[in-house]
This record gives sequence, C-alpha cells and structure tokens, in this order.
Amino acid sequence: DGGITQSPKYLFRKEGQNVTLSCEQNLNHDAMYWYRQDPGQGLRLIYYSQIVNDFQKGDIAEGYSVSREKKESFPLTVTSAQKNPTAFYLCASSITGTSGNEQFFGPGTRLTVL
Amino acid sequence: AQSVTQLDSHVSVSEGTPVLLRCNYSSSYSPSLFWYVQHPNKGLQLLLKYTSAATLVKGINGFEAEFKKSETSFHLTKPSAHMSDAAEYFCVVSDRVDTGRRALTFGSGTRLQVQP
Repeated sequence: DGGITQSPKYLFRKEGQNVTLSCEQNLNHDAMYWYRQDPGQGLRLIYYSQIVNDFQKGDIAEGYSVSREKKESFPLTVTSAQKNPTAFYLCASSITGTSGNEQFFGPGTRLTVL
Repeated sequence: AQSVTQLDSHVSVSEGTPVLLRCNYSSSYSPSLFWYVQHPNKGLQLLLKYTSAATLVKGINGFEAEFKKSETSFHLTKPSAHMSDAAEYFCVVSDRVDTGRRALTFGSGTRLQVQP
C-alpha cells in the first residue's frame, strides 16, 4: 500500500534535548512538508521541500531543522531552541506540478516535552 | 497573501439532519480549495477539492461543497449526518503553483458533533 508513515506515534523529550521525527513516503512524490498543530488551531507550516537536497522555511521554522537527502524521507529535528515544542506534528507529501496541489498526510507524531 | 476563515469553531447536529460547515477565503489569484477531515489523534484525510472545474464539488462519504466566487465562500454540506461524521474539519486554500511556493493555508477548524 502506498502512503506516508511517521514514527514514533508518541515521543517524550526532556527540556534541552534535540529530537528527530521520522517521515517516509512511498508515493513517489517530489514535495514533502512538515506542519505543527496546536489544540484548537489549524496547521502551521514549518518547512517544505519540493525536491531532493532542497528545502525552504515555512511560517514557523525557528527552532526546527530538516534534511532531504532522499526522495522518500524528510526528517524533522526539533532543537532545544524551540521554546514551546509540545504539539502534534504532521508530515505530508504532494506531486510537484499538480495544479490542485492535493497533499497526503501521515498519521502524525505527538511530541510532549517533560 | 491568502487566508481562510471558518465561521464556526463548533457545530452540533442530530443524526440524520443536514450538515453545513461554513468557510470563507481570500486569495489574490484563482485558488484551489480543499476540505480535509481529521479524526482524533489521526492525520488528515481529503474530503474534496475544487480546482477551477465544476463549482459544485462532490467528495467522499456524501459530502459536497460549492465554490462561490462572488461570495468568496466554499461551504461544506451533507444532507444527512451520521455518527461517524463527528470529527474536526479544515477548509484549506492553496497557493497558485506558479508562485513557487506550493503549500496550503489552513483554517482554524470546525469541530462537528453528531448527537444520537
């Protein structure tokens, strides 16, 4: 089955620690995205990548970093510089160039800072 | 710049009655519009999308939405609610692809409750 996987489903971190969230897709999509979701709010874009070895900051990139070394993978690192990292993180992908720009979402990772 | 406003944060209906979730948008270009659904602690699933074809768009699970350019609206409807429809619904607008930034702007969401 084609789709997007995120791991782990739940993640706990101590203050001051970096943590990396995994996102893998087998849809052969060029573009991948990371979003953050807080209670009662819509999704906010952290980073996106339209092609391997290239990525751009979204609306709330401070305190986060990404890499895109493979088409299938787009890991997100939450650094100690992120002041309020507790949130639900969603990864998505889409076919670059599609005018409708439909995005497919993974199941999410819930990060809690202790 | 573009934005999305979902006019109701919570909507409660009885099972078997119609559903209306309201969405207004602003966009400088001809937008693509979407409705996504999210069940608790899950990812988002696409319900339907508008991409400048027919203004009345049919989606999955009996949902549909009508694009009204004059009103800048894209309201989501369903004739008869089912208990399984209880979830969070997001209205989303997409940047025009030739801006080089291919990302979505999300509304704040509407939580739909379905009463038995």
